Amino acid sequence: SQQGEEDPQALSIQEGENATMNCSYKTSINNLQWYRQNSGRGLVHLILIRSNEREKHSGRLRVTLDTSKKSSSLLITASRAADTASYFCGSGATNKLIFGTGTLLAVQP
Amino acid sequence: EAQVTQNPRYLITVTGKKLTVTCSQNMNHEYMSWYRQDPGLGLRQIYYSMNVEVTDKGDVPEGYKVSRKEKRNFPLILESPSPNQTSLYFCASRNNQAGGNYNEQFFGPGTRLTVL
Repeated sequence: SQQGEEDPQALSIQEGENATMNCSYKTSINNLQWYRQNSGRGLVHLILIRSNEREKHSGRLRVTLDTSKKSSSLLITASRAADTASYFCGSGATNKLIFGTGTLLAVQP
Repeated sequence: EAQVTQNPRYLITVTGKKLTVTCSQNMNHEYMSWYRQDPGLGLRQIYYSMNVEVTDKGDVPEGYKVSRKEKRNFPLILESPSPNQTSLYFCASRNNQAGGNYNEQFFGPGTRLTVL
């Protein structure tokens, strides 16, 4: 299987804390994208990092990419209850995104 | 409003009864794709289309058909559904312009299909 993996599978934190989730992928990539999914709904794009970039920021999000280790991490700072969702990384190969199995984040108010 | 729509949102059917799940986008995107989402397996790509009349298999195409006769529509067809096709299905689209692989995908709301 070409699928990637997110780690941890589930994460529970208190509001205001930082949340870090990791993603590993198997194939060569053009880019890596992070998406959020609220329960049973469609995925919403959060941030994209290109294969020649090492770090990128967007608001409270910080993503890193290590192509030598085929891994990425997503940091959400100062988490809010509204950040409760599943988070997926999609490794961007030619003409497709290969998704991992997701991290379920629960932010307790 | 820019969006991807899917119909129906929920469907319960029986083995062998042909069905079609429609997908439509209003963003003039060239690229469209179908995924299925199953617990513990994440999202897996079924088929994708780079443009009108151009379709290709994803990772799990068996048991599915697609067509792309118009740019905005990309229906998913199950000719003879089986219980192992019970899943949550998502359609997505993205722009192919200016380095298409680097563009975000826009997802529909999902279709929950149960095959008895």
